[in-house]
Amino acid sequence: QKEVEQDPGPLSVPEGAIVSLNCTYSNSAFQYFMWYRQYSRKGPELLMYTYSSGNKEDGRFTAQVDKSSKYISLFIRDSQPSDSATYLCAIQTNTGRRALTFGSGTRLQVQP
Amino acid sequence: DAMVIQNPRYQVTQFGKPVTLSCSQTLNHNVMYWYQQKSSQAPKLLFHYYDKDFNNEADTPDNFQSRRPNTSFCFLDIRSPGLGDTAMYLCATSGYQGDGYTFGSGTRLTVV
Repeated sequence: QKEVEQDPGPLSVPEGAIVSLNCTYSNSAFQYFMWYRQYSRKGPELLMYTYSSGNKEDGRFTAQVDKSSKYISLFIRDSQPSDSATYLCAIQTNTGRRALTFGSGTRLQVQP
Repeated sequence: DAMVIQNPRYQVTQFGKPVTLSCSQTLNHNVMYWYQQKSSQAPKLLFHYYDKDFNNEADTPDNFQSRRPNTSFCFLDIRSPGLGDTAMYLCATSGYQGDGYTFGSGTRLTVV
């Protein structure tokens, strides 16, 4: 079993739709949760960072963490064609090695 | 702007011909990481430095080496690239606690 599981998609939605992206993880030592956006042939760009259960909102983006279920989500409201990219969840422990463990990414296509 | 810069953006090399990828940072971060990302896969950690302290992942091939001559620069050397080493190579930096994680734009390496 992978430490972080993420549906690879592709996910295709019409412009203006609400998008839900999800990851599950297996290691309860993971304490920090991130969502990255990666455009084709570019490096990952940090979208959201959180360390507690609950919701965190930033503009059209909401990150949700449920530590009891080991489940994290990213919601995108009013999706735009410019949101078309691959979205990677990344998780980090709070001790020892601080490298990120990534999901495999979900490819999102927002149709105009 | 403080950032992580990778050079070159694109590199084509012949099978077996050594290649070096470079990464520089103006963030003054103590930790530098190299990740390998193959097509449609999650970034995979190759190694990282805490200052000059080198940490190799157990499954990183011996073919891959790294140097960090100073805080600002880090190099990835691939001694004898194989076709399977075709990938995006991502450099990232962070503070000691894994804070402020920042990625470069990546070097896309093609081995022919």
